[in-house]
Amino acid sequence: AQKITQTQPGMFVQEKEAVTLDCTYDTSDPSYGLFWYKQPSSGEMIFLIYQGSYDQQNATEGRYSLNFQKARKSANLVISASQLGDSAMYFCAMRTNDYKLSFGAGTTVTVRA
Amino acid sequence: DVKVTQSSRYLVKRTGEKVFLECVQDMDHENMFWYRQDPGLGLRLIYFSYDVKMKEKGDIPEGYSVSREKKERFSLILESASTNQTSMYLCASSFFSSEGPQHFGDGTRLSIL
Repeated sequence: AQKITQTQPGMFVQEKEAVTLDCTYDTSDPSYGLFWYKQPSSGEMIFLIYQGSYDQQNATEGRYSLNFQKARKSANLVISASQLGDSAMYFCAMRTNDYKLSFGAGTTVTVRA
Repeated sequence: DVKVTQSSRYLVKRTGEKVFLECVQDMDHENMFWYRQDPGLGLRLIYFSYDVKMKEKGDIPEGYSVSREKKERFSLILESASTNQTSMYLCASSFFSSEGPQHFGDGTRLSIL
């Protein structure tokens, strides 16, 4: 079974600072994809960034970057220059060959002014 | 932009009622999914469908059924609602290929009294 672990239930970060959200995964499939989603208090799930298992470079999307360490099976999300609007719950997810997603428990980020 | 629309943001029903949650997507996606989200557990897959009239059980199908009569619409049915089905329900869709993210609706907060 696929497993995603997010060990940080909640984090505080100062506005304009960077924050790293941890994610480790476990799979025996050679081909997989890793995703990060943001869920504000309003409830919608917003796709942020994707990393394929065969991608040579770490994915980046604006202020979001994914620190992919394949040998360690980790896919940490880095949010640079935090903004108040970044306060939300963040989910790491993995997809393998059957195109289903397995989600971690999530990390709540609170950005302080 | 992909639009996934769930019929209700908030819903209150009584124990034993038959409950229908509707989801419609406008991007001609083959895959559609139903998840439930509970604190500390992340998102768990209830059912998914990769084609009209096709369905497969996810990780927690007990007490639920689904219907997909048209490509754009995927319905989740609680046959006889129980209090332990009080939760946030999220619908998602994606293309059939394993690349690309799942796109989510805004969620339905369902309370069973």
